[in-house]
Amino acid sequence: QLQLQESGPGLVKPSETLSLTCTVSGGSISSSSYYWGWIRQPPGKGLEWIGSIYYSGSTYYNPSLKSRVTISVDTSKNQFSLKLSSVTAADTAVYYCAREEQLGFDPWGQGTLVTVSS
Amino acid sequence: EIVLTQSPATLSLSPGERATLSCRASQSVSSYLAWYQQKPGQAPRLLIYDASNRATGIPARFSGSGSGTDFTLTISSLEPEDFAVYYCQQRSNWPRGTFGQGTKLEIK
Repeated sequence: QLQLQESGPGLVKPSETLSLTCTVSGGSISSSSYYWGWIRQPPGKGLEWIGSIYYSGSTYYNPSLKSRVTISVDTSKNQFSLKLSSVTAADTAVYYCAREEQLGFDPWGQGTLVTVSS
Repeated sequence: EIVLTQSPATLSLSPGERATLSCRASQSVSSYLAWYQQKPGQAPRLLIYDASNRATGIPARFSGSGSGTDFTLTISSLEPEDFAVYYCQQRSNWPRGTFGQGTKLEIK
């Protein structure tokens, strides 16, 4: 079945850029009807949608993060990626990737904790 | 931006009891609402889509209802594994996806 796996550094320094990759297995990222999304969850808090991308490269971003977020897709590797610039401690969170359709996000990756600290 | 407000923030019940969780949208989302369950240390799992449809593999004790701005997730008889945090998410303008702040269902 479809599986997603996040990867990337677990520690990022303040003011630097957070970079994560989501690898999709068991299916093609180029499937029509699906977007691919990033969601984050600060420790002990709720879920925040970051943004989503279509295999063609079309993107949608959370307005509150739009100035700092870039999501890209590499169909040859069946991966999509997140870059978040100028990070602060407030960006410390578990970052999830997930397949998205009109019904919702399903399935999700297991998540990866990214801590912003010097 | 559509804002989702979930209530209560915390719900304390015993196994076997009925749970009723609420999600209210700041404007109509038609029936485009999803519910997720999140257990500690795990990723969220899609439970309900389009307000009232169970996702694959979700037990029949979970049901959703509502349309427009008011939605309800009901668990008819709580099992020990149902104690978790539940989030609603509007899907009316997907792929943008606002989440509610969550309801924690805890054992009384």
